[in-house]
Formats: sequence, structure tokens, C-alpha cells
Amino acid sequence: GENVEQHPSTLSVQEGDSAVIKCTYSDSASNYFPWYKQELGKRPQLIIDIRSNVGEKKDQRIAVTLNKTAKHFSLHITETQPEDSAVYFCAAGLFNKFYFGSGTKLNVKP
Amino acid sequence: EADIYQTPRYLVIGTGKKITLECSQTMGHDKMYWYQQDPGMELHLIHYSYGVNSTEKGDLSSESTVSRIRTEHFPLTLESARPSHTSQYLCASSERGDEQFFGPGTRLTVL
Repeated sequence: GENVEQHPSTLSVQEGDSAVIKCTYSDSASNYFPWYKQELGKRPQLIIDIRSNVGEKKDQRIAVTLNKTAKHFSLHITETQPEDSAVYFCAAGLFNKFYFGSGTKLNVKP
Repeated sequence: EADIYQTPRYLVIGTGKKITLECSQTMGHDKMYWYQQDPGMELHLIHYSYGVNSTEKGDLSSESTVSRIRTEHFPLTLESARPSHTSQYLCASSERGDEQFFGPGTRLTVL
């Protein structure tokens, strides 16, 4: 099966700074890479995703990049705000199943 | 409003009890999933279904079972609960096998 590794496990940034979270996957057949944000006590919600035929995707302050050759993908958040504080999960989709990373707890200090 | 629902939201039970966690979605999605998640930790897939009468086990070994008799309903049953089952259980659905929509979760405590 697929194995997804996510780093760092915790990340603390100052408001306005950028945050980068990185994930690697093992199965080259994986073709869909979503990122979910989970606030404390709430359900995970999709914030951005990318498919294997695209190298980069951007939506306002967040962007995702994918390097298929190296089998890694990253989430970039610019101009961070306190409401960005949450746990972020990457995932790799393979044959309609999803394999999640271990999560990154992002703390944005005002 | 189209959504995904889980009941109960919180459950505290004794060891050995049989329980069923309910999951229903009004989104018309064929694909449904059950995940186990300790608070703030990784999501582990325990069961999934691609449609009515289709169920598969995920990669995390689980002593639970599921059924999919109706498109909108995907209940999870534990025949004999143990303290090691204490966790949060998240149900999710997906239309095309891409974006997943999660329910609010059931937080289970087995004493």
C-alpha cells in the first residue's frame, strides 16, 4: 500500500510569515493529493488539492506544489493569520482510497 | 442542506458491549469511508464502500464490521467493545473518489 510521511509535526510562525509543510509518498501510481485543515474539535475540511498531471496550484494565500519524480508535495501558506492555526493533513489518493500523513500542528503567533 | 451526519457524537460504554455508530449522508455520494483518529493525530482508514452492497476493509486492522444496504447509510458495528477501541471515528463520503466530506465524528470511550 501507500505510505505518506509529513514534516514537520509542529510549526510555529509569526503572523505575516510564510509556512511550508512537506509530504512524501511511496507509490508512484498515486494520482490525487489533497490537503485538509482540521481545527480543534472540528471535522477535517479540504483546503486545496492537486492532481498528478499538474505541478502547481494556487488559491489566494495557499499553494500546493507536486514533484512526481521525487514523489513529494508541499503546502505553502503566505501571509499567515492567527485563524490559520490548526492541524494540517496531507494525503495521497490511490484507486479511490486515501492515505493520510501524520499531521502538522501549525501555530500562528499574533 | 446536503451534509454528512454521525450519531451519537459522544459515547461512553463498558467493555464487552455491542455498539453501532451511525453515518448518513444526503449528498448522493456513492463512496463512503470510516476512519479512526486519535485527537489531532493521523487518520487511519478502517472500512470503505464504493456503493450499495460493496464493502472493503482498510489498511488498519479493525474488529469492526460495516454494511451498505442503502446509498445514504453506512453504519459501523463493534461486536464487543474494548478499551483499545477508545478513539474518534470519522465517517466521510466522496462523489468521484477525490474530495472527501467528513462528518462531525463520534468520540468513543470504552471503560
